[in-house]
Amino acid sequence: GQQVMQIPQYQHVQEGEDFTTYCNSSTTLSNIQWYKQRPGGHPVFLIQLVKSGEVKKQKRLTFQFGEAKKNSSLHITATQTTDVGTYFCAGGGSGTSYGKLTFGQGTILTVHP
Amino acid sequence: SQTIHQWPATLVQPVGSPLSLECTVEGTSNPNLYWYRQAAGRGLQLLFYSVGIGQISSEVPQNLSASRPQDRQFILSSKKLLLSDSGFYLCAYHRVRTEAFFGQGTRLTVV
Repeated sequence: GQQVMQIPQYQHVQEGEDFTTYCNSSTTLSNIQWYKQRPGGHPVFLIQLVKSGEVKKQKRLTFQFGEAKKNSSLHITATQTTDVGTYFCAGGGSGTSYGKLTFGQGTILTVHP
Repeated sequence: SQTIHQWPATLVQPVGSPLSLECTVEGTSNPNLYWYRQAAGRGLQLLFYSVGIGQISSEVPQNLSASRPQDRQFILSSKKLLLSDSGFYLCAYHRVRTEAFFGQGTRLTVV
């Protein structure tokens, strides 16, 4: 079945440092989505990428979708304490898995002031 | 607008007792519905997903079960809870190629 691996599992940074989390799928994806879960909360949608090689930005966040549509990354520039939380990628299946959303295990980001 | 309701928010249950968590969706039809469990500080473990009424796919064999009696209702159940069933349970829905919406979650403690 479709598997989505996400690394690293944990990341501790000093405020102002950059942060990147990576997502890899065992199969070609129809789309990739990114979510953020604040401590104690539920995951909240950030963005969706659909096209091969697509890059989208949201202020200090940059999202990329690989050319083969099997990997993605989220990069945060100059982290702030408000960036603390768990970041999940979620891959939309293709072919026989079309319509199914598979989440990565998430990266827990800690930002030290 | 689309909303998802999940209750209760917190639950403390003794070992061996039954469980029923309910999730309902408003403002959309024929959504894909999901039950996830999240251990403290960990990722999302997919338990069940459903693409339609009466259609349930189980991702992880365990003593939990799920049912979808109506298009916008998804229920997670157990006949006898184990200590290892403790965790944060999240219901979610999405339509194909759109974002997923999560309920507020149920924090279950089995004692």
